[in-house]
Amino acid sequence: QTVVTQEPSFSVSPGGTVTLTCGLDSGSVSGINYASWYQQTPGQAPRTLIHSTSTRSSGVPDRFSGSLFGGKAALTITGAQADDESDYYCVLYMGSGPWFFGGGTKLTVL
Amino acid sequence: QEQMVESGGGVVQPGRSLRLSCAASGFSFSSYAVHWVRQAPGKGLEWVAVISYDGGFKYYAFSVEGRFAISRDNSKNSLYLQMDSLRVEDTAVYFCSRGSCESTNCPMYGSWGQGTLVTVSS
Repeated sequence: QTVVTQEPSFSVSPGGTVTLTCGLDSGSVSGINYASWYQQTPGQAPRTLIHSTSTRSSGVPDRFSGSLFGGKAALTITGAQADDESDYYCVLYMGSGPWFFGGGTKLTVL
Repeated sequence: QEQMVESGGGVVQPGRSLRLSCAASGFSFSSYAVHWVRQAPGKGLEWVAVISYDGGFKYYAFSVEGRFAISRDNSKNSLYLQMDSLRVEDTAVYFCSRGSCESTNCPMYGSWGQGTLVTVSS
């Protein structure tokens, strides 16, 4: 069974930069995993931030960026704002059909 | 404006069936793959199923394979999820989301619906 790993929680100061990661328990993440990132606040539907590693979804500010780094997918938020405080989920495509979400990272801005 | 609206949720006993619907608007529905994703109360997101733009390819999470069936009607801009042999652990809010392109390896993209709650309980 594929396990996608994310930091359970992270903290960033207002105006600061934070990088959240998305990895595999066995193996490295690459472009063929089409890593994508979603933001969700409690009680709300998810919002697409980044798809296919680094393509920003329409209307998403450019302070959100996606990349590959050190065998993992990464979501970087620069100039963090108070309303960035949310849960962030990544999803990976493992070939031959199924997709797998990570457990999510709870980001605190303080 | 792109929109996805889920419906069909409710309370159902274990072992029974339920059919969810997702109505799409604001984009060319027939050109994109579409996914179902669920979220159990207080838990993270779990991918459930995906269907290609023309319905020719369908894939499922291991947890629902053999019990759930995804389908679409492009003439009605609608997506469906037939859920049979429901279990308590299927209790969740179910979301639909279109893919970024036509095939099943296109990730969830764009707007998501508000979801529909399925509660499986005796």
